[in-house]
Amino acid sequence: DSGVTQTPKHLITATGQRVTLRCSPRSGDLSVYWYQQSLDQGLQFLIQYYNGEERAKGNILERFSAQQFPDLHSELNLSSLELGDSALYFCASSVEGTSTGELFFGEGSRLTVL
Amino acid sequence: GNSVTQMEGPVTLSEEAFLTINCTYTATGYPSLFWYVQYPGEGLQLLLKATKADDKGSNKGFEATYRKETTSFHLEKGSVQVSDSAVYFCALSDPLGRDSSYKLIFGSGTRLLVRP
Repeated sequence: DSGVTQTPKHLITATGQRVTLRCSPRSGDLSVYWYQQSLDQGLQFLIQYYNGEERAKGNILERFSAQQFPDLHSELNLSSLELGDSALYFCASSVEGTSTGELFFGEGSRLTVL
Repeated sequence: GNSVTQMEGPVTLSEEAFLTINCTYTATGYPSLFWYVQYPGEGLQLLLKATKADDKGSNKGFEATYRKETTSFHLEKGSVQVSDSAVYFCALSDPLGRDSSYKLIFGSGTRLLVRP
């Protein structure tokens, strides 16, 4: 158990809909990362937050947004969903985003868009 | 930009066979290098890491050496077990350009299947 909790584990929805994925980082970790894992793109970095502040954006679509709340949990919002958004979305946390630091991953939220 | 290339899978081996999964990287500067493992239905977990050239990371019988001259970080294990069946990801730390913060860039993953 990594200590990172993601909900829901599975989600099935229709095109055009909006969903919210939730992540609770490990106790004490201030940094949260979101990654998307799909069959054709592999693991893609989406966005990082540190102590409530956005730090960096990766390959995140404009239809997607995220935030980190004062209690350090984070939410990833996906809107106007398309079939190609079907993927496994991982949240990871770390104490600080240092180069030698380890990321702790949750078990992921599997999104299926029909 | 920085990137990681690892060998295509799946890799299928018999129990007790020797394992090598190749990983090469492209990076400016001197990133830290990692191997993560993903067991079925689980998230990724750190297997081993190396933070500078010539460092050897090791864990659970797996080893990888940071080779700056060949920009490689190949994963090896002398005798694999059925329980090692998983997807293995090579990764490097990539600076986010702010406050010494980094993200990880992952390779595409290599699936290992070990048969009894």
